[in-house]
Amino acid sequence: QVQLQESGPGLVKASETLSLTCTVSGGSVSSGSCYWSWIRQPPGQGLEWIGYIYSSGSTNYNPSLKSRVTISVDTSKNQFSLKLSSVTAADTAVYYCASAPITMGLTFEYWGQGTPVTVSS
Amino acid sequence: EIVLTQSPATLSLSPGERATLSCRASQSIRNYLAWYQQKPGQAPRLLIYDASNRATGIPARFSGSGSGTDFTLTISSLEPEDFAVYSCHQRSDWPYAFGQGTKLEIK
Repeated sequence: QVQLQESGPGLVKASETLSLTCTVSGGSVSSGSCYWSWIRQPPGQGLEWIGYIYSSGSTNYNPSLKSRVTISVDTSKNQFSLKLSSVTAADTAVYYCASAPITMGLTFEYWGQGTPVTVSS
Repeated sequence: EIVLTQSPATLSLSPGERATLSCRASQSIRNYLAWYQQKPGQAPRLLIYDASNRATGIPARFSGSGSGTDFTLTISSLEPEDFAVYSCHQRSDWPYAFGQGTKLEIK
């Protein structure tokens, strides 16, 4: 069973770059078996898919965030990362990493516990 | 862009009752719909994928149905641990979106 764990700063200043890492265990980011994704949930709101990366390095991002998002993978550490630039208070949310098996398309089977990020002014 | 509309926003029921939750898509998403359960302070948990397939370890009291634009999640007999927020998610068309959720609360 795949396990995921998010890590990174819980507080980011407005206009700066949010950086989070997801460490994967029980699976390999280079195996080609999953889409590795980031999803967020603003306080009291619904879930918003941010984007994913595949083992080949190909990425796909939510158009609403595309200009500010970069997702990358570090196969040596079995991690994938999220960078979101020029953050504002609207980017305050709980950020989740998740895995979606290729056989299930973009269906998120395993999730990290989530990490809250607050953007301060 | 496909919009998922869930109804009702809040559903108040008692343990043992049957729960019926709806998710409607603004255009056809074939059967590419999943349901997730989320409890306070926890990550979402996959319940149903591709409209009607239960995920690993999900009890049989959870079932999903529908295709095209109208989908239903049914919990046949509510257990105390089932009171949570339920969200639907489509993977048919870009960008893949979630519904706003239905809160299932104890009556």
